[in-house]
Parts: sequence; structure tokens; C-alpha cells
Amino acid sequence: TQLLEQSPQFLSIQEGENLTVYCNSSSVFSSLQWYRQEPGEGPVLLVTVVTGGEVKKLKRLTFQFGDARKDSSLHITAAQPGDTGLYLCAGRAYNQGGKLIFGQGTELSVKP
Amino acid sequence: DVKVTQSSRYLVKRTGEKVFLECVQDMDHENMFWYRQDPGLGLRLIYFSYDVKMKEKGDIPEGYSVSREKKERFSLILESASTNQTSMYLCASSLEVGGIGEQFFGPGTRLTVL
Repeated sequence: TQLLEQSPQFLSIQEGENLTVYCNSSSVFSSLQWYRQEPGEGPVLLVTVVTGGEVKKLKRLTFQFGDARKDSSLHITAAQPGDTGLYLCAGRAYNQGGKLIFGQGTELSVKP
Repeated sequence: DVKVTQSSRYLVKRTGEKVFLECVQDMDHENMFWYRQDPGLGLRLIYFSYDVKMKEKGDIPEGYSVSREKKERFSLILESASTNQTSMYLCASSLEVGGIGEQFFGPGTRLTVL
């Protein structure tokens, strides 16, 4: 059973377009993280959100944690080819002993 | 610069072979993790360790075992490799298991079992 449903799984867009990736669950999370993974490398942490309704910005990336702490989104403004990669959300649910639960990932391709 | 290294980037083994995947971290982290990554399934936790000689099963431990004899080193062992264990294996370490701690990942080992 996948606790974190991530969508879409694949996204191919042109440079300059905006996009949003969603991460949803029926479980409540104490915190939620977004990682980015480039080919041949391991995931690297982008951001951690801990408060319901929290919004964090990292240059052109905006991360939001849902009010009920069950969902999160990642919005990229004016995507660039350098944004290409696999984006993973990961949360810590209260009934999972503090382990990180990962979504399926979103494969983003930004074409010049 | 923090670093998690894995012994091999690519590995090809035959069904039934015993396979060792090694992971070393230089951050003096207490906690280390082994995940497998498959398309459409994200990362799934195999085993983790919160101290030397301590280990805990993750979500998919069947067919795997682990060893942590030293703080910096965490090994994943496939006792008798099978084709359904063909996957990308990622090792990670962190300062804390819970909380909001970041996990630092190695580059991964792509294992193919023929």
C-alpha cells in the first residue's frame, strides 16, 4: 500500500512553462520533504516542511504543506532544462516509527 | 563536504550468488539505511540501523540481510540473489531517525541478476 501518492509520474514540458507536482495521502505527516535526483546520483534534499499551511520558496520552486498535513505540492515557475530530474516527496507518518515514506516520484523533462 | 559512498556503481550477478553491497559514510552519523528504487514504486526501505551492531527491518526485508560492524559502514547482503532483486540500491545516512532530519544518499548501485 502506497502511503504517499505522487502525481503526475511523468511530465515533459518546454522551457519557460510552469508546473505543479502533487503529493497526497490519507495519513497525517509530522513533516514532509522534497528530494531531487539526477541521473546516476542519489536524491538530494530540497526542502523540509513541518507546519500545516507552510509555504517555502527556493528561487523558482515553491513548496506547500497542506493545512491538515496530509498533502504537499511543488510548483516550479519558468522551468529550465536544469530542472530536469526525478522529484520525490517523502514524509514521516506518526504511525511509521519515524521512517521516511517515499512517493513514487515525478520524472520531469524540460526541453529547451 | 558530506559523503556517502557505495562500493560499486554497476554490478552483474548470477541467480543464486551471494552478493555484498557496501556503503560508507564520513559524517559520523548514527543512522544508516538501505533502500531499493524501482520505476513507479519510489524508494522502499529494506533495512536500517541506528547504531553499531543494531538493525531493524524495513518494509521489504525478505531475501536481504545487513551487517554493521563499524559506525561508518553498513553492508547489504543478498544471501541468494534472484532475478526479482534486479534493482537500483541506495544507501543513506542521517543524524536522526525521526524528527526532520535530512537523509544523505550515496550514488546508488545498479544491480542486475541474470
